[in-house]
Amino acid sequence: EPEVTQTPSHQVTQMGQEVILRCVPISNHLYFYWYRQILGQKVEFLVSFYNNEISEKSEIFDDQFSVERPDGSNFTLKIRSTKLEDSAMYFCASSERAGSKYGYTFGSGTRLTVV
Amino acid sequence: AQSVTQLDSQVPVFEEAPVELRCNYSSSVSVYLFWYVQYPNQGLQLLLKYLSGSTLVKGINGFEAEFNKSQTSFHLRKPSVHISDTAEYFCAVSTNTGNQFYFGTGTSLTVIP
Repeated sequence: EPEVTQTPSHQVTQMGQEVILRCVPISNHLYFYWYRQILGQKVEFLVSFYNNEISEKSEIFDDQFSVERPDGSNFTLKIRSTKLEDSAMYFCASSERAGSKYGYTFGSGTRLTVV
Repeated sequence: AQSVTQLDSQVPVFEEAPVELRCNYSSSVSVYLFWYVQYPNQGLQLLLKYLSGSTLVKGINGFEAEFNKSQTSFHLRKPSVHISDTAEYFCAVSTNTGNQFYFGTGTSLTVIP
């Protein structure tokens, strides 16, 4: 069964450093998403991306965050200057069609630890 | 706005016993309802979803859930659990015009041999 692949599975970074989280969505999917889960809290929507631009973003997704599909296969989330509160599990997801009723395929997540 | 409450953060249950994982939601508009499962070191996998129609929906691995509009609930049930059901279970909602999910905090199900 096709999978969404996220790398690395765990990343440790120093506060203030830039970090890039990588995702390889399912090849025929056109819609891409990032979610995060701070330990003990809810999984929260960050951003959705379609046709090489952001289609929707949450209040969490401020200027320190950016997304990119640099080469037609990868989908990345960049955090420019990490803060301690950015420590979380970050999930990438993709879907073939727009609309939540079709469901997404999620990756296994990248655990980001900011020290 | 939409929100989801999963009251039970951890549910231990003996193998072959029944289990119910509770989910309540809040929304001012019509919603779709979902249960996702996350096995250790894996991604979130769709268990089942309610879009419309019959309020009892069946999913993979013998799980089912019932949509109760008056109680704004979507509880997940399985009549007999296996060790392999040990995982984190997430309830989620989305609006029928939207494209994002609103998740609960998750329930960790541990099946005891």
